[in-house]
Amino acid sequence: DAGVIQSPRHEVTEMGQEVTLRCKPISGHDYLFWYRQTMMRGLELLIYFNNNVPIDDSGMPEDRFSAKMPNASFSTLKIQPSEPRDSAVYFCASSLLRSRAAQHFGDGTRLSIL
Amino acid sequence: EDQVTQSPEALRLQEGESSSLNCSYTVSGLRGLFWYRQDPGKGPEFLFTLYSAGEEKEKERLKATLTKKESFLHITAPKPEDSATYLCAVQTNAGNNRKLIWGLGTSLAVNP
Repeated sequence: DAGVIQSPRHEVTEMGQEVTLRCKPISGHDYLFWYRQTMMRGLELLIYFNNNVPIDDSGMPEDRFSAKMPNASFSTLKIQPSEPRDSAVYFCASSLLRSRAAQHFGDGTRLSIL
Repeated sequence: EDQVTQSPEALRLQEGESSSLNCSYTVSGLRGLFWYRQDPGKGPEFLFTLYSAGEEKEKERLKATLTKKESFLHITAPKPEDSATYLCAVQTNAGNNRKLIWGLGTSLAVNP
């Protein structure tokens, strides 16, 4: 079975540019999560969706960050305008409906803002 | 405040040298504790879920155990391919909460 698919794998762009990260969750999963990982802070949850509806976006750092899930098989995380401190690895994960379901991760997008 | 702490931060073992990684947690109510393995350049890979004190799960050379305050990941006779960062995460009982509280991980290196 295909796992969570993220694109691009690497993104290098200049400060001020718009960045769009993409995620395709595992088919049949009901929840989708966006995380950011840095050495200093580890994995931080940014936002999560249930059946395409955002449930908790309290981890989104600023209004520069936005996420959408237009259908069950696609989600985007957008940063506009980007800043050097946004440089990190961004992961998408998905899980089944049951309350203790494990989250399954993609291989991430390594984002560098110059 | 809910918190998860992993120790040690880094561990270097010789092949065949068994050891344990620790994940201590302080949460209002535990719904589940998750162990993941992360290889460089990859996303975390799910290993185990533990639900209640006294529970144990095993997979190959790994065994995870859970008490009311901490979890251990025991690695028996490790091999170089067990080298990775091991992450622990906790899900609390708050409502229908799906958030996981993550530790910073233990970086394990197994030398041949």
